Amino acid sequence: EDKVVQSPLSLVVHEGDTVTLNCSYEVTNFRSLLWYKQEKKAPTFLFMLTSSGIEKKSGRLSSILDKKELFSILNITATQTGDSAIYLCAVDSSNSGYALNFGKGTSLLVTP
Amino acid sequence: DAGVIQSPRHEVTEMGQEVTLRCKPISGHDYLFWYRQTMMRGLELLIYFNNNVPIDDSGMPEDRFSAKMPNASFSTLKIQPSEPRDSAVYFCASRVGLADGNEQFFGPGTRLTVL
Repeated sequence: EDKVVQSPLSLVVHEGDTVTLNCSYEVTNFRSLLWYKQEKKAPTFLFMLTSSGIEKKSGRLSSILDKKELFSILNITATQTGDSAIYLCAVDSSNSGYALNFGKGTSLLVTP
Repeated sequence: DAGVIQSPRHEVTEMGQEVTLRCKPISGHDYLFWYRQTMMRGLELLIYFNNNVPIDDSGMPEDRFSAKMPNASFSTLKIQPSEPRDSAVYFCASRVGLADGNEQFFGPGTRLTVL
C-alpha cells in the first residue's frame, strides 16, 4: 500500500527562523510529488516536483525531491506569521489513477 | 475564474438525517474529486470522476455514502443516514485531464457536524 509520511507533525518557530519540512514516501510507479499550503480553508497549490535534484522556488519557499531516497523537503526562510498553516505533501502515482495520496500534514505556527 | 464552488459551507444535522453536499468544478476541468479531512486521518480520497463517470470509489466508507455527477458542472455527495463519525470537512477538487502533472484545485470545503 502506498504511504506518505510527513514530519514533524507540528512545529512552532519565531518570525525570521528558517524551517525545513519533510515528506517521505513509499509508492510504486511514482509520477510526481506535490506540496500544498492549507490555512483555514482549502489547500492551495505550492509546488509540483517530478525530477530529482531540481529545486523549485517561489519567494521564500523552496522544495526539492530525492527520488533515490524517496523524500522531499520544503524550506521556508525568514518565516513570517502569515506562513502559519498546515503544509500537505501529496504523491501522484499511476497506481492510484489520478487521485493524490496525501500525508497527514505538518502544522506550522510562526510566533511574532 | 470562480474556482471550485461548494455548498453549503457549514452543515449541522442530527444523526440519522440525510445530508447532501454540492460541488461545481472549474469550467473545463474533466476530473472531479471528493475528499474528507479529519484530524485523525488527514485528507482522504472518497471518490473521483472523469468526464462525469466514477472511476474509483474505493475510498467511500460504506453504503451510506453515494456520489453522483449528472453533468460536467455539478456533483453531489450524499450521506444517508448520517452518523456522528461522519463529522469532518469535505472537500471537492478538480483538475484538467490533459495538463502535465496532477495539480488539483480545491474548493473551500463543507464543514459537516453530525450531532
